[in-house]
Amino acid sequence: EDKVVQSPLSLVVHEGDTVTLNCSYEVTNFRSLLWYKQEKKAPTFLFMLTSSGIEKKSGRLSSILDKKELFSILNITATQTGDSAIYLCAVNDMRFGAGTRLTVKP
Amino acid sequence: DTEVTQTPKHLVMGMTNKKSLKCEQHMGHRAMYWYKQKAKKPPELMFVYSYEKLSINESVPSRFSPECPNSSLLNLHLHALQPEDSALYLCASSHPGQGINQPQHFGDGTRLSIL
Repeated sequence: EDKVVQSPLSLVVHEGDTVTLNCSYEVTNFRSLLWYKQEKKAPTFLFMLTSSGIEKKSGRLSSILDKKELFSILNITATQTGDSAIYLCAVNDMRFGAGTRLTVKP
Repeated sequence: DTEVTQTPKHLVMGMTNKKSLKCEQHMGHRAMYWYKQKAKKPPELMFVYSYEKLSINESVPSRFSPECPNSSLLNLHLHALQPEDSALYLCASSHPGQGINQPQHFGDGTRLSIL
């Protein structure tokens, strides 16, 4: 059975800190891994990763995939209170991990 | 506001009622999805339509009946629901994947409460 495991499940940091969120997976026929951010309502797309070792970057957020070790990380540098959200990763067939709830305190 | 529009935003219904959730997108996406999300849980996939044909049904009970009348619209017909069906129902759309997942655009959801 396919598995997507995110860690930590919850994280509390202060503004300016750097955080690293993890997503590990066990799936057959890996195609892609996607990261989403969910605040109050709709998840919004952040990154799609298909190849190992190629960093995707958008502002203070970046993500990389390791297909050999079967995981991805999402980094957020210089966190702000607006980064507070649930970060979801999804692998194949639209299956989501449990998410990491990030809280950034002023 | 998102580019995927869901109506209604909130719905309260009794267990014997029949109601429908609606989803609309005009981005030219040919894949559309229904998810169920309970509090503090990730979205759970229910149905996927690709080119207006049902391609994935995640063993959803028959009291949920999806319909895709055209490439822009997706409905979820509800009948005889149970209290445990109370949740946020999210619709999403994307370009159909050609061997890989495509990023999905989500609506804000319909918050459904079953009395």
